[in-house]
Formats: sequence, structure tokens, C-alpha cells
Amino acid sequence: SQQGEEDPQALSIQEGENATMNCSYKTSINNLQWYRQNSGRGLVHLILIRSNEREKHSGRLRVTLDTSKKSSSLLITASRAADTASYFCATEETGGGNKLTFGTGTQLKVEL
Amino acid sequence: DSGVTQTPKHLITATGQRVTLRCSPRSGDLSVYWYQQSLDQGLQFLIQYYNGEERAKGNILERFSAQQFPDLHSELNLSSLELGDSALYFCASSVGTNLAKNIQYFGAGTRLSVL
Repeated sequence: SQQGEEDPQALSIQEGENATMNCSYKTSINNLQWYRQNSGRGLVHLILIRSNEREKHSGRLRVTLDTSKKSSSLLITASRAADTASYFCATEETGGGNKLTFGTGTQLKVEL
Repeated sequence: DSGVTQTPKHLITATGQRVTLRCSPRSGDLSVYWYQQSLDQGLQFLIQYYNGEERAKGNILERFSAQQFPDLHSELNLSSLELGDSALYFCASSVGTNLAKNIQYFGAGTRLSVL
């Protein structure tokens, strides 16, 4: 079953703009991860944030985690056409071993 | 390139048939995971193996089975196939079971079409 929802389902922006995607989940977690998937291809790991962390940066990516609200956000700054893809949050639930429970995904389109 | 190899890339078969999907994990990774991605169910965890042993089970049908061999490659067997089994099947691998920072690396997937 899906852990939660991602919002928005689809996002279309111009190159150079920032893109923000939100993820909500339902249970207690060990960590939350963001993955990118180009059309019908494999998932690429972007960033992992542990449950005791609130914010993490990696290049043009910024992730926040609010465990009290069971939500996370992914910010991509200065977006490029190459960022066009689907973005998924995935949680490793406490007591759930290592399996990842994925959100529904956000389809990002960055236009020139 | 994630280092995880899945074969075949595409499979087209008929209802009632049986297929085997193969996965070679990244060098040094002990854990292998199988996921199914379909339009209606999204990305669903199926099963995890760690160093040859089954570690966790998700929404895996009884018609599906998997195993991890001594060389750590894994196979997912799907039998009595139904139209609804058409999906992308992903394999992922990770180093181990460190709960704090278990990053999974995904293969390119096997696209299964059941006609």
C-alpha cells in the first residue's frame, strides 16, 4: 500500500524557477528518501534524511522533514530541462525493516 | 549506471505462463529487494533478501516467489500470469541493513506485458 500522498501530482515550471514538492506519510519512520525516475526507467536516489534531521542539502536540492506533521518537502532550485522527471518520496518505516514505502509521485516538467 | 543489472529488459508473454526475472546486485551489496510498479498500484514492495535469506515480505502474491543465490544474484518467479501482472518490476540492492542510512540502488527494470 502507498505510504502517503505527494503534492502536487504534476508541476510545470520554466527553466530557472524553483520547484517544490511535498510528501506526507502515515507512520513512524527511520528515514525518508527522495528518488527520481525518468519516464519508465529506473529510480535514481537523490537524498536521504534521517528521522532526527530537519533539513539537508545536496547541490541544488534541499529537503526538509517535519516528523510531527509527518511531512517532507523537496526543493529543486534553478531548475533545468534535464530535471524533468517523476519524483518520489520513500520512507523506511520504524520496525519495517529496510523496505521502502513509496508515495504517489510528482511529475515535474521543466520547460525551456 | 546504478551497478544493478536486471534481465531481460522486456518480456511479452501470455496469460497462464510462467516467467523468471533476474537481478545482479551491485558488487558488495548483500540485500536485494523486488518492487512492482503499475499504473493503478504505484510502486509496491514485494520482497527482500539479505545474504541468501528472506528478510521481509510485502504485497507479494502466492503465485510469485523469489530467491537469492550464494553468489547474491536474485530471481523473481511469476507464475499463472494474469493480465493484471503487467507492470515494471524493479530490483534494488543495498549494502546491508543499517536502518539509519540504507540507500537502495535500483536497476533499470523489467517491463512485463501479459497478453
